[in-house]
Formats: sequence, structure tokens, C-alpha cells
Amino acid sequence: EPEVTQTPSHQVTQMGQEVILRCVPISNHLYFYWYRQILGQKVEFLVSFYNNEISEKSEIFDDQFSVERPDGSNFTLKIRSTKLEDSAMYFCASTPYVGAGANVLTFGAGSRLTVL
Amino acid sequence: SQKIEQNSEALNIQEGKTATLTCNYTNYSPAYLQWYRQDPGRGPVFLLLIRENEKEKRKERLKVTFDTTLKQSLFHITASQPADSATYLCALLRGGGSQGNLIFGKGTKLSVKP
Repeated sequence: EPEVTQTPSHQVTQMGQEVILRCVPISNHLYFYWYRQILGQKVEFLVSFYNNEISEKSEIFDDQFSVERPDGSNFTLKIRSTKLEDSAMYFCASTPYVGAGANVLTFGAGSRLTVL
Repeated sequence: SQKIEQNSEALNIQEGKTATLTCNYTNYSPAYLQWYRQDPGRGPVFLLLIRENEKEKRKERLKVTFDTTLKQSLFHITASQPADSATYLCALLRGGGSQGNLIFGKGTKLSVKP
């Protein structure tokens, strides 16, 4: 069964450092997403991406965050200057463009970010 | 603001019994509602979607109901097994949001004891 893959599975970084989280969405999906989950909290929407541009972003997704699809397969989330409160599990997800599954998210296993 | 509440943080049941999880929402009229399963340290996995014009949806041992008058969905697992132990999340498409912009409940952690 097709899956969304994410790397790294766990990253530890110092406050103020830049972090890039990588994702390979399902190959025939056209919408890509980043969600995050702070330990013990809800899964929260960060950003959606379609046709090489941001479709929508939440208030969490401030100027410190950016997303990119640098090639035909990878989808990345960059945090420019990490803060302690960025420590969370970050999930990449993808959906088809249209059809019954257009809002059914297929999530990756997540990247755990720990900011010290 | 739109809210989703899953009333129980945790539910402990005996193997073989039926687990019933509740999801309530406010300030919202969703066209459909989704349920996901999340295992510790993993991403959510889609289970079922039920539309506003469907009263009930089934998939193997899973059953979901959707009452738009009560603004509530119930998620049932019949003949529960220890392998069903996980956190179950309900989710709605954010009103006015774009595709894939879901609001998740905090989840109910189900523990099925042998």
C-alpha cells in the first residue's frame, strides 16, 4: 500500500538553529500538508500546498516556517530559527486532488523535533 | 469558534466487549466527519468517513453513527481485541478552510484488556 515517508524520524537541535524536515508524499497525490502535534495535545494543521504554492496556512505557520517542493518527489518543512516551543511531532500528509478521498489524509509516521 | 470535543480521555474495557467513543462538535455544520486511529509515536491512520446524510457506516468490526441534530458522532468497536488499543481521533474539515484543513479532537485512548 502506498505510504508517505518522512525523514528524519527524530531530530535534536539547539534553539536558534535551522531545521529541515523531509517528506515523500504518495506519488499520485497532488495536495501536501504539514501538521504538528505537541506532546499530549491535538494534531494541528500547519499548512497545505498545491501546485507549487501554499494553499492555506494556520496562524501557527509564521515567518519562521517555510515549505518547498524542491524536486518532483520531496516536500520539505523548514524552521529557520527554532524555539523551545517548536518541540513537537511533525506529520506530513497528502491527498488526491479530487474525488472521494480528497479530504482523507494519508499521514507519514512523523518526525519528532526536540529543541534544547 | 468551531470546536470538537471527545468526552473521554481514556476508556478501559475488557476484551470481547464493545467500545463506544463519543465525538461532539459545536458552532459547525459539517458535511462529513472522519475517524482516525493513532498509535503511540505514529501518524494518524484513516478509518472511516461518514457523511451528513448517512446515519450509520460500517467497516468490519467498526461502526460510526452521525447525528447532525445532536452534533455528535459515536464510534463503536465490537468484539474488541487488545490490538484495538490505541488513541482514536475524530476530525472535521475546518469551516471555510481549504482541502485537507482538518480540525482534530484530542482523542480517546482506548485500552482493551485480555
